[in-house]
Amino acid sequence: QKEVEQNSGPLSVPEGAIASLNCTYSDRGSQSFFWYRQYSGKSPELIMFIYSNGDKEDGRFTAQLNKASQYVSLLIRDSQPSDSATYLCAVISGGGADGLTFGKGTHLIIQP
Amino acid sequence: EAQVTQNPRYLITVTGKKLTVTCSQNMNHEYMSWYRQDPGLGLRQIYYSMNVEVTDKGDVPEGYKVSRKEKRNFPLILESPSPNQTSLYFCASSAGTGGQETQYFGPGTRLLVL
Repeated sequence: QKEVEQNSGPLSVPEGAIASLNCTYSDRGSQSFFWYRQYSGKSPELIMFIYSNGDKEDGRFTAQLNKASQYVSLLIRDSQPSDSATYLCAVISGGGADGLTFGKGTHLIIQP
Repeated sequence: EAQVTQNPRYLITVTGKKLTVTCSQNMNHEYMSWYRQDPGLGLRQIYYSMNVEVTDKGDVPEGYKVSRKEKRNFPLILESPSPNQTSLYFCASSAGTGGQETQYFGPGTRLLVL
C-alpha cells in the first residue's frame, strides 16, 4: 500500500516568514513528486514538481527531495496571506500508470 | 484556453437514481483520471484511463463506472448512487500515457446523494 504522509496542521506562519511543509512517502520506487495548492472548495493547482534529489527553486517556492530518506518538502519564502491554503503532496510510483497518490494535505495559515 | 471541464458542477440526487458526470479536456492528453475528495481522507483515485478504450481501477472504484470512447471525454457513471458517494469529485488529465506528467484538474463536481 503506497502511502504519503503529511502533517495536517494547521501550520501558522507570520507574513514575510518562511513556511516549511513536509511530506514522507512509503514507496521507495517513487519517481515523481508534486506539490499542489488547493483553496477551499477549489481544484488543486500545481505549484512545483521535482524528480531528482536536491533542491528546485521557482520564484518564492523551493522543493527539496531526499530519496534516501523518502522525504520531500516545500519552502515558501516571504509568505503572503494569499499563500493560505491546503498544500497537497503527491507522488507517482514505479511506471506511473496508476497515477498520483496524494497526502491528506497541510493546512497553511499566513498571519498578517 | 487549455482546460479540463466538468458538468454538472453541483448535483443533488436521490439514492438509486443513475447519474453521469462528464469530463472533457481540450489538451489532447492521453491520460485521464477521476478522484474523489472527502474530509479527513484526502484525494483518492477512482478510475484512470491511459488511452482510448483503456481504463483501470484506482483505489476506490466500487460503485462507479467509466468509459473512454473518445480521447477528450471521460465520463464517470454512478449506476445506483448511495449516500456514501456524497463527495467532491475531480477529473484530471495529463499528457503522458502513464500519468507521469503534470496532471491538470477540472473545477470539481460537488455531489449530494440523499
